[in-house]
Amino acid sequence: DADVTQTPRNRITKTGKRIMLECSQTKGHDRMYWYRQDPGLGLRLIYYSFDVKDINKGEISDGYSVSRQAQAKFSLSLESAIPNQTALYFCATSVRGVGTGELFFGEGSRLTVL
Amino acid sequence: DAKTTQPNSMESNEEEPVHLPCNHSTISGTDYIHWYRQLPSQGPEYVIHGLTSNVNNRMASLAIAEDRKSSTLILHRATLRDAAVYYCIPPRGGTYKYIFGTGTRLKVLA
Repeated sequence: DADVTQTPRNRITKTGKRIMLECSQTKGHDRMYWYRQDPGLGLRLIYYSFDVKDINKGEISDGYSVSRQAQAKFSLSLESAIPNQTALYFCATSVRGVGTGELFFGEGSRLTVL
Repeated sequence: DAKTTQPNSMESNEEEPVHLPCNHSTISGTDYIHWYRQLPSQGPEYVIHGLTSNVNNRMASLAIAEDRKSSTLILHRATLRDAAVYYCIPPRGGTYKYIFGTGTRLKVLA
């Protein structure tokens, strides 16, 4: 089983619908991240969390919200999906540590908003 | 916040060395430099990281300039499986808030 699991892997939805993307990890890491990737572009940070009580906005948080239900779970919600939120979404984790903090990524969740 | 500059794309012949440059002129003194790569249809994966000294691992080498304002990822013998987008990422002031730019797309020619 993957260490960082994202569900669903693919989702097609309609404008205005609420969507939740879930991420769970078995690595025991305290830091978790959500990124989005648009075709031909790099990854952009949406939200990140350094522990259950610490959630921070990234580069592009407007239109998104997150919930850190437990150390192992970090969910991304689109309250009212719009077409320009069509993208590939990645969850990542890292461990606390000086200089290291290697990121481990899930396989991605492809979201299409019609 | 540290800002990175990488070429949009590079090409290399198979089995030849590849030097991927990155400029990070505003990096802070304690920020480590990380490199990741993203293979087609996959999430990014860690390649290597370093602070001041040159670093080697099984995947690559990292050469860091003495003033730390630039670094170079070195693939000693490129293979077709190394075709990917390579990202140079300095953490932001020790916060471990990893910001990816657009990276360098490496094409390896057979």
